[in-house]
Amino acid sequence: QQPVQSPQAVILREGEDAVINCSSSKALYSVHWYRQKHGEAPVFLMILLKGGEQKGHDKISASFNEKKQQSSLYLTASQLSYSGTYFCGTEVGYQKVTFGTGTKLQVIP
Amino acid sequence: DTAVSQTPKYLVTQMGNDKSIKCEQNLGHDTMYWYKQDSKKFLKIMFSYNNKELIINETVPNRFSPKSPDKAHLNLHINSLELGDSAVYFCASSQGGAANYGYTFGSGTRLTVV
Repeated sequence: QQPVQSPQAVILREGEDAVINCSSSKALYSVHWYRQKHGEAPVFLMILLKGGEQKGHDKISASFNEKKQQSSLYLTASQLSYSGTYFCGTEVGYQKVTFGTGTKLQVIP
Repeated sequence: DTAVSQTPKYLVTQMGNDKSIKCEQNLGHDTMYWYKQDSKKFLKIMFSYNNKELIINETVPNRFSPKSPDKAHLNLHINSLELGDSAVYFCASSQGGAANYGYTFGSGTRLTVV
C-alpha cells in the first residue's frame, strides 16, 4: 500500500526550515528517505528501523514514530542544493519498498 | 567507478518492437531491482532478484521479462512495446534485503515509445 506524503510541494527561501511527512495505514518494518533532482536518479538519504528512532546528518534529519506508522523528514537552514523531490519508501514486508508520491521542494535565494 | 550502471540512457522505439535494458552493479550487493517511474514521478517496483533468484514479481504484463545471469547483472527485456510503456526505468541494488539497507539507483533509462 502506497504511503501518503505531505505536503505535495513546498517553496522555501534559503535558510528556512521544512518538514515532510510520510504516513502509512500499517506498521512498517522500515522507512527510507530519498532525494531526486530533476533528470537524475533518487539518492538514498537515510533509513529508520525502530519505533521512536531519530537520525540525521548535517542539517537533514528524520524521525520514526513509536507506532512505526509515520515518519517525518526535517530540513533545517535550507540550502539551494536541497531542491528536488523527496520520496519516502516504506517496507511492510516481503523485502519490498513502496514509494510515496513525493514532495517537490524548491529552495529559492 | 560507477556503482550501478544502466544502458542505454535513452531509448526511442516504435510500438511493437522488442527492446532490452541492461544493468550492472559493482558494489557486491546481492539484491537488485527494477522500478518504473511514470510521468507523475510515481516510482513503482516491478521485479527484485536476490542472488539470481526472482523474489518479487509485481503485477507487470508478461511482456516484461527480467533476467539475472549473475548477482551483479539484472537485465530487462520488453516485448511488443506499447505507448503506455513510456517511462523512466531505474535499476537499483541493495546489500541484503530492503529492510535494513537503502537502495543505490542507476541513472535510469528513459524509454519513449512512438
